[in-house]
Amino acid sequence: GENVEQHPSTLSVQEGDSAVIKCTYSDSASNYFPWYKQELGKGPQLIIDIRSNVGEKKDQRIAVTLNKTAKHFSLHITETQPEDSAVYFCAASILTGGGNKLTFGTGTQLKVEL
Amino acid sequence: GAVVSQHPSWVICKSGTSVKIECRSLDFQATTMFWYRQFPKQSLMLMATSNEGSKATYEQGVEKDKFLINHASLTLSTLTVTSAHPEDSSFYICSAPIAGWDGELFFGEGSRLTVL
Repeated sequence: GENVEQHPSTLSVQEGDSAVIKCTYSDSASNYFPWYKQELGKGPQLIIDIRSNVGEKKDQRIAVTLNKTAKHFSLHITETQPEDSAVYFCAASILTGGGNKLTFGTGTQLKVEL
Repeated sequence: GAVVSQHPSWVICKSGTSVKIECRSLDFQATTMFWYRQFPKQSLMLMATSNEGSKATYEQGVEKDKFLINHASLTLSTLTVTSAHPEDSSFYICSAPIAGWDGELFFGEGSRLTVL
């Protein structure tokens, strides 16, 4: 089955700096890669996703890049703010037309310090 | 966006009792729902796939008689933890895609179960 590795497990940045979280996946058939933000005691919220037919996607301060050959994808957050502090999870799946089983990475605790 | 609601958000029960958690898609139909379990400071682990009108599919190592799943309608799936024990204490989260749509999964807010 799919295996997703995520690094780093913790990340501290100063407010205004950029944060980068990296993930690798094992199944070359995976074609959908979402990123989730999870605040304490809450369910995950989708912040951005990318499909295998594109290499990069951007939404304001958040961007994701995908390298299919190397089987890795990364989340980039620019101009970080204290409210960006949370746990971030990457995930991978194969879209099958009606629902997809996500395999999650191990999570990154991001702390944005003032 | 689409909303998935879970109830209860937290529950405390005695060891040996059963607890039911509901997952509802509020503004869309979901023929499939996914149940995850998350231990403190760990990732989400898929437990089972709930299928409307048919039996759930369980991941390897998840006891189907321990975690009963029922998907009675296109908007409701339930997870019942039977004969709960302290090791079942965890954060249970459901998610659902919009029926027929390939892509985003909408997650509930989670249900924290504490078994005394």
